[in-house]
Amino acid sequence: DADVTQTPRNRITKTGKRIMLECSQTKGHDRMYWYRQDPGLGLRLIYYSFDVKDINKGEISDGYSVSRQAQAKFSLSLESAIPNQTALYFCATSDLAGAGGQSDTQYFGPGTRLTVL
Amino acid sequence: AQSVTQLGSHVSVSEGALVLLRCNYSSSVPPYLFWYVQYPNQGLQLLLKYTTGATLVKGINGFEAEFKKSETSFHLTKPSAHMSDAAEYFCAVSFGGYQKVTFGTGTKLQVIP
Repeated sequence: DADVTQTPRNRITKTGKRIMLECSQTKGHDRMYWYRQDPGLGLRLIYYSFDVKDINKGEISDGYSVSRQAQAKFSLSLESAIPNQTALYFCATSDLAGAGGQSDTQYFGPGTRLTVL
Repeated sequence: AQSVTQLGSHVSVSEGALVLLRCNYSSSVPPYLFWYVQYPNQGLQLLLKYTTGATLVKGINGFEAEFKKSETSFHLTKPSAHMSDAAEYFCAVSFGGYQKVTFGTGTKLQVIP
């Protein structure tokens, strides 16, 4: 079974609808992230959480919100979807490698392809 | 602020030829550097990473990268391209601790038979 899972894998919705993307992990990592990928722009960070009580905005958080329900679950919501939020969304996890080795390797889910009409 | 630049959004090589994907970073402190690969319809997976120590890092599938502090570079190479190497490659940088990871814009590698 995959360590990082995302649901749904594909979603088509209409402008103005509320959408929730879900992420679950079995890696036992404290840190979780939401990114969006757009052609030519790479990955841009939307929100990140370093533990259950910690939520931080990334570089493109406007129009998005998140909820960290448990160590293993991190959800991304689009309160009122708009067409320019059409993108591929990735959840990722990471853990510190310990003192002197804090390399922050990221482990990605398979992605959710969201289309907003 | 940390940043990473990947030169060339698309690179084409012949099967069996050298693969060279370029990555430069900006940083005032020693970074951690990563290369990730994304195959079609999949998430990203780690190819290799540099944290400390030996500057030549070997990864999976025959890839390697060399950290050159004087050039602020971390170019990815593979001596002989295989068709299965066709994918998008992302360079990334972080500084550990409570710093975020910053990704480059990606380079799509095409391997021509």
